[in-house]
Amino acid sequence: NAGVTQTPKFQVLKTGQSMTLQCAQDMNHEYMSWYRQDPGMGLRLIHYSVGAGITDQGEVPNGYNVSRSTTEDFPLRLLSAAPSQTSVYFCASSYLGTGYGYTFGSGTRLTVV
Amino acid sequence: KNEVEQSPQNLTAQEGEFITINCSYSVGISALHWLQQHPGGGIVSLFMLSSGKKKHGRLIATINIQEKHSSLHITASHPRDSAVYICAVSYSGAGSYQLTFGKGTKLSVIP
Repeated sequence: NAGVTQTPKFQVLKTGQSMTLQCAQDMNHEYMSWYRQDPGMGLRLIHYSVGAGITDQGEVPNGYNVSRSTTEDFPLRLLSAAPSQTSVYFCASSYLGTGYGYTFGSGTRLTVV
Repeated sequence: KNEVEQSPQNLTAQEGEFITINCSYSVGISALHWLQQHPGGGIVSLFMLSSGKKKHGRLIATINIQEKHSSLHITASHPRDSAVYICAVSYSGAGSYQLTFGKGTKLSVIP
């Protein structure tokens, strides 16, 4: 089925560990983005990309890295996990420009202890 | 900072009731999105609109560009409609593909 695939669905990390959240889409969308969702707050943009080889920071980029080597994949790396990064993470993709909807992944629930 | 405000934050309704969720924004937009998130679930796009009204089944979304306001209506509500409904906008101009999100409205429909 076409869509956005996120893995893993759940993850527990110890403080200081690193990990990569995977995001892949098969719709040839140019735009891909990562958000975190915390209680009482709206989704906040971490990083985004408008095409292979192009990435930029969003509202809350500290502690996260991204790369976009292909149109399909947009992994999010936590360099040294901290308890403040406990959250639910969503990846989303869309065509560029106006008039296009977004497709979201199913989310990754991350706990840092 | 451009804000997206939703009301109410929480809403409890009896099955069969007509439900309205509101969204207001501060500056000109290119599109407004309504999203649905079931408990512990992913996020699904319900509507994208830039003017007028859209309908899908029991869901109706309207937008008033002049008043910078949108509403999501659910007719004949059902317990399976229980979810968080999120309003998001993409602003006009550069970076119009970016979304700014409201904090969501948690809807509980009681049988």
